[in-house]
Amino acid sequence: AQTVTQSQPEMSVQEAETVTLSCTYDTSESDYYLFWYKQPPSRQMILVIRQEAYKQQNATENRFSVNFQKAAKSFSLKISDSQLGDAAMYFCAYRTSRGISNFGNEKLTFGTGTRLTIIP
Amino acid sequence: DAGVIQSPRHEVTEMGQEVTLRCKPISGHNSLFWYRQTMMRGLELLIYFNNNVPIDDSGMPEDRFSAKMPNASFSTLKIQPSEPRDSAVYFCASSLMFGDSTDTQYFGPGTRLTVL
Repeated sequence: AQTVTQSQPEMSVQEAETVTLSCTYDTSESDYYLFWYKQPPSRQMILVIRQEAYKQQNATENRFSVNFQKAAKSFSLKISDSQLGDAAMYFCAYRTSRGISNFGNEKLTFGTGTRLTIIP
Repeated sequence: DAGVIQSPRHEVTEMGQEVTLRCKPISGHNSLFWYRQTMMRGLELLIYFNNNVPIDDSGMPEDRFSAKMPNASFSTLKIQPSEPRDSAVYFCASSLMFGDSTDTQYFGPGTRLTVL
């Protein structure tokens, strides 16, 4: 079974600075998807960024980028120019990309989350 | 476009009562997921449907939990009878599955359930 580990329960960063959140995972599969979701105090789960394992290029979305190290099974999230609205819980998630014929292929496995605080 | 809609947003009930949570997925999506979030267990998948058919219900805690998807635009998660340990935030998510891969799961706002 796949597992996702977020070793930083809490992080803080000064507004406008850069912060990196860590995520490692364990899998025996070669093809899969990785995600970062953000959960602000409103509880809404918001997709931040997504990475396909077969792509060597790291995904970017505006101020958000990832450092995907497949061999090391590492998937960190970098937030540049941190803003007050970035304060939230951040969850790393894994999903297999096996075909529909494989039972349970759509399941998202989540890490335990990192609470990010932005210091004004 | 409207996102995933869940109702109610908050539910407070007494132990032993029946609870029904509702979800309307994003129009055009063909996969629907129910997740539960607790402090102890984090986010865990309860069940998911594809084209209204349950595909994986291995995460459903016990027989007190049941889920249905009578059509492409509506799903329910029912707990009967409810117990205090069922208190959690329940999320519904939907995605569009095509071929051998699926698109990203988009989450609703969640229902915070409190069982007294």
